[in-house]
Amino acid sequence: AQTVTQSQPEMSVQEAETVTLSCTYDTSESDYYLFWYKQPPSRQMILVIRQEAYKQQNATENRFSVNFQKAAKSFSLKISDSQLGDAAMYFCAYRSRAGGGADGLTFGKGTHLIIQP
Amino acid sequence: GAVVSQHPSWVICKSGTSVKIECRSLDFQATTMFWYRQFPKKSLMLMATSNEGSKATYEQGVEKDKFLINHASLTLSTLTVTSAHPEDSSFYICSARDHGTGTYEQYFGPGTRLTVT
Repeated sequence: AQTVTQSQPEMSVQEAETVTLSCTYDTSESDYYLFWYKQPPSRQMILVIRQEAYKQQNATENRFSVNFQKAAKSFSLKISDSQLGDAAMYFCAYRSRAGGGADGLTFGKGTHLIIQP
Repeated sequence: GAVVSQHPSWVICKSGTSVKIECRSLDFQATTMFWYRQFPKKSLMLMATSNEGSKATYEQGVEKDKFLINHASLTLSTLTVTSAHPEDSSFYICSARDHGTGTYEQYFGPGTRLTVT
C-alpha cells in the first residue's frame, strides 16, 4: 500500500513571498501520478498541479512548481509570489497508473497555508 | 467542462434513518467514480470505487452494508448511508474519472455535509 506524508501541519508566509510545502511518499511502484490539491474554505477540491512519475522534468503551472525527486520519493510544491487567495489546505496525493486509472487517490494529511498580508 | 455535482450539499438526518447522496458528472461520462470521506480538519480517505454496471469495490475497513453504492449510469453514482449514527457524521466527497481522457483525470464534486442527530 502507498502512503503519503506531509510533515508540515501549518505554514505561514508573507504575501508576495515564496513558500515550499513538503511531501514524501512511499511506494513500490515505478509508474504513478502525484498531485497537489488545494481545498479552500468552500471545501471544493481544486487541482493545482500534476506530475507523472516517468517524466523527469518538474511540472510548472504559472506560480506553482514542483520539485520531484523520484529516488528520494519527495514531491514538494513551491508557490511563488504568494497571494491572499492561495490561503487554503493543500493536499499531496498519489495515484497508481497500474490500474488503468481505476485507482482512487491516496492523500497526505494536508498543510494549512496561511498568507500574511 | 468537467463538472461534477453532488446533491444534497448538506443534509441532517435522525439516527437510524438512511440518507442518499448523489454524484453526477454533468458534461462527461464517468465509468468510474470514487467516494471519499473527510473528517473535520482531516485528510480525505477513499471509501470505495464505484464502477458503472458492476459492484463497487470497498476499501478495507469500510462496511459495504452500511455504505451502499450504486452506479447505474455513466453519469450518476449514489451513496446511501443506511441506519445512520452520529459517528457517520462527516463530509462526503465524490470524484469522477473522465472516460475520454488518457490521463484518467479525476474531477471532484463540491461535497456533502452529513449531520446525524
